Amino acid sequence: GENVEQHPSTLSVQEGDSAVIKCTYSDSASNYFPWYKQELGKGPQLIIDIRSNVGEKKDQRIAVTLNKTAKHFSLHITETQPEDSAVYFCAASYGGSQGNLIFGKGTKLSVKP
Amino acid sequence: DAGVIQSPRHEVTEMGQEVTLRCKPISGHDYLFWYRQTMMRGLELLIYFNNNVPIDDSGMPEDRFSAKMPNASFSTLKIQPSEPRDSAVYFCASSLAGPYEQYFGPGTRLTVT
Repeated sequence: GENVEQHPSTLSVQEGDSAVIKCTYSDSASNYFPWYKQELGKGPQLIIDIRSNVGEKKDQRIAVTLNKTAKHFSLHITETQPEDSAVYFCAASYGGSQGNLIFGKGTKLSVKP
Repeated sequence: DAGVIQSPRHEVTEMGQEVTLRCKPISGHDYLFWYRQTMMRGLELLIYFNNNVPIDDSGMPEDRFSAKMPNASFSTLKIQPSEPRDSAVYFCASSLAGPYEQYFGPGTRLTVT
């Protein structure tokens, strides 16, 4: 069945460094790849997404890249700040426009001041 | 916009009792999703609705779980009878179109003793 693998499960960086989280997906028909940030005690918050017809998308300090051939997509956070510390989830769509998302297991990012 | 609203935020109940979780989606969103989050299984889809009609309930773990959406602005997830293994955080999310741009509520933390 459909599956999304996410790595690493934990990531610790120094403030100002970059952080990269990687995901792979199994369904070649997936066409939508969002990233969510979840802070303690809160619901997942959509931070950036990318569609399959685009290879890269950037929004200030965060960017997402997509390699459809390899079924890989990644989240890049530059100039990390302590408030970036959270759990990040990737997801991939399945089932078309009336379908749903399958989520990775999450990456706990810690940014040390 | 108020975002997705869930109630209660916390629920503690004894095994065997009925539990009802409530959700109000973002106004105008045609899709509503119920997810469950645990450390072991991550974020998993239970059921989702399109225009108040259940589309996929294959994630509902057992007959003890049921969900309804009587109108476009309200949905319930009911567990009867509840068991300790149902303890988790339950999230409701909504979107304009299927998997795209799902917005999550703050969640209900359920503890069954």
